[in-house]
Amino acid sequence: EAAVTQSPRNKVAVTGGKVTLSCNQTNNHNNMYWYRQDTGHGLRLIHYSYGAGSTEKGDIPDGYKASRPSQENFSLILELATPSQTSVYFCASGEGTGGGAETLYFGSGTRLTVL
Amino acid sequence: GDSVTQTEGLVTLTKGLPVMLNCTYQTTYSPFLFWYVQHLNEAPKLLLKSSTDNKRTEHQGFYATLHKSSSSFHLQKSSVQLSDSALYFCALSPFSGGNYKPTFGKGTSLVVHP
Repeated sequence: EAAVTQSPRNKVAVTGGKVTLSCNQTNNHNNMYWYRQDTGHGLRLIHYSYGAGSTEKGDIPDGYKASRPSQENFSLILELATPSQTSVYFCASGEGTGGGAETLYFGSGTRLTVL
Repeated sequence: GDSVTQTEGLVTLTKGLPVMLNCTYQTTYSPFLFWYVQHLNEAPKLLLKSSTDNKRTEHQGFYATLHKSSSSFHLQKSSVQLSDSALYFCALSPFSGGNYKPTFGKGTSLVVHP
């Protein structure tokens, strides 16, 4: 089964600080995604990537940057964290085999609290 | 743009009763529809998926049929169990020439009582 590992599992940050959330997948999937999950909003797409060196803006990219330095790794960066970014963040990977039939494999999530 | 609507935020049922969770979608492309399930403090995982019009897809006692005429992909089960208590997401991934960008609904929380 696909393995997606996120770190850290929990993070407490201060307002204005820089936060980096990391994601690693060992399945050689082309596509990777960052979502945040908030009650009443479901899963909202922040950034995604189709391969090493590429990043694309999702539906709510403001205040976030992403980096895909390799096939395996995809990071989400909050340069100036704000309390509104307190949430649970999920990374996911997908095969990207074509035609839209892409199952997503999710990591266990990172719970971020910005004080 | 693409969108997915799940009308129920919370569904509460007694064990053994049938359930239907609603999902409708909008896209200008040919759709692939998914249901993901997320148990408490776990990651979402795939429950079932389909792109075939009017064909029932089943997995772990759950089933859904994609109806392109009504843009719907409702999730059903004939007899819910306590272990079915979870958050259920409907998701859309359109055929769009390699541009995936899956879209999720807001989720329906299913609570099953003894």
